[in-house]
Amino acid sequence: EVQLLESGGGLLQPGGSLRVSCAASGFTFSSYAMSWVRQAPGKGLEWVSGITGSGGGTYYADSVRGRFTISRDNSKNTLYLQMNSLRVEDTAEYYCARVIAYGAGDYWGQGTLVTVSS
Amino acid sequence: EIVLTQSPGTLSLSPGERATLSCRASPSFSSNYLAWYQQRPGQAPRLLIYGASSRASGIPDRFSGSGSGTDFTLTISRLEPEDFAVYYCQQYLTSPLMYTFGQGTKLEI
Repeated sequence: EVQLLESGGGLLQPGGSLRVSCAASGFTFSSYAMSWVRQAPGKGLEWVSGITGSGGGTYYADSVRGRFTISRDNSKNTLYLQMNSLRVEDTAEYYCARVIAYGAGDYWGQGTLVTVSS
Repeated sequence: EIVLTQSPGTLSLSPGERATLSCRASPSFSSNYLAWYQQRPGQAPRLLIYGASSRASGIPDRFSGSGSGTDFTLTISRLEPEDFAVYYCQQYLTSPLMYTFGQGTKLEI
């Protein structure tokens, strides 16, 4: 059974840093691209970042480029999102998703909440 | 940058009725890299349709997707109580690699 389990969310002050993780199981992790998608409270979905299966290609939304870094450890079946220079507007539930054909996310984790507030 | 506009914002229907949700892309894009998701309150999104018209694994056949270029449609043929949720369309571009979501359509009883 495919499972994605995010962790590492919390309450931060503006300007702070945080790393969230996504532990994957039930599939060959290195064979799949992965994405991070976030959802601010009461709002819609926003793609944040993506990474190829090998980790050789990384991609970012304009809103986080230069502040966030996506990475993966295929030996640990884990996806990461390092978030620096956090802003109030980064407050959201952060989901990881497995990417399949046509760029669709077929499995999603349950999310981890990141709150940025002074 | 492609913008996806979903309509209507809210759709009020009853169980057993047919639902038609629209997703319009501007500018249009030549691929069919368009997906639809369902999100129930307090849950993660669930993939329904990918490649504009292919149903994801385990999705009932009352869900169908169609369209290309500018206009895409998600149709739910006969609404079940569990179908009342928020639906998002999502487009994927390969160069540069970028995903865009529509703002969502709330399907309510």
